[in-house]
Amino acid sequence: EIVLRQSPGTLSLSPGERATLSCRASQTISSSYLAWYQHKPGQAPRLLIYGASSRATGIPDRFSGSGSGTDFTLTISGLEPEDFAVYYCQHYGNSPLFAFGQGTKLEIK
Amino acid sequence: QVQLVQSGAAVKKPGSSVKVSCKTSGRMFSTFFINWVRQAPGQGLAWMGGIIPFTGKIEHAQEFQGRVTITADDSTSTAHMEVSSLSPEDTAVYYCAITESVDLGLAIWGQGTLVTVSS
Repeated sequence: EIVLRQSPGTLSLSPGERATLSCRASQTISSSYLAWYQHKPGQAPRLLIYGASSRATGIPDRFSGSGSGTDFTLTISGLEPEDFAVYYCQHYGNSPLFAFGQGTKLEIK
Repeated sequence: QVQLVQSGAAVKKPGSSVKVSCKTSGRMFSTFFINWVRQAPGQGLAWMGGIIPFTGKIEHAQEFQGRVTITADDSTSTAHMEVSSLSPEDTAVYYCAITESVDLGLAIWGQGTLVTVSS
């Protein structure tokens, strides 16, 4: 079973700053199956990135994903007020098919 | 653009069952991989299982095996998930989410259904 660990648990930043969120897998995974989601209270999660680095439809280019092997990163350059939310990484694999990290809360400093 | 509309909130007694539905707006329903994800209060996202209506293939997370039944009705473009033997720990928001291909992520989500289990 692959476990995804996200860090930090909480990230406090100001609008305009750059956010760097980490997702580390317990073993090497295919970047083709690594995705990132944004989740705000009272809303459904929103797909941001798939295939580790491809932006989903309608996602602003301030969101970018990178990484390979066991280490993956979501970067948000120039935080907007609407970017403060919880972010999850997710891997498609085996047992469970869709495994989520525990999330990083991005809060306003 | 495909949309997912879920059934409304439910309050259930411990030991009972709940069935949540997820209706898709038409196209290509049978070829999607329709998944169920839940979020308990203060917790993260947890994948529960999914179905590909075209093939009838169903997958479950081990944690929910035997207690979750996932079905799909092609005639109404609706997927259903039933959770049995409910306990207060099953209180959560349940989401359906679809992908056309697993390497493209869970691209479209329903609005969520709050299920509260309380005596």
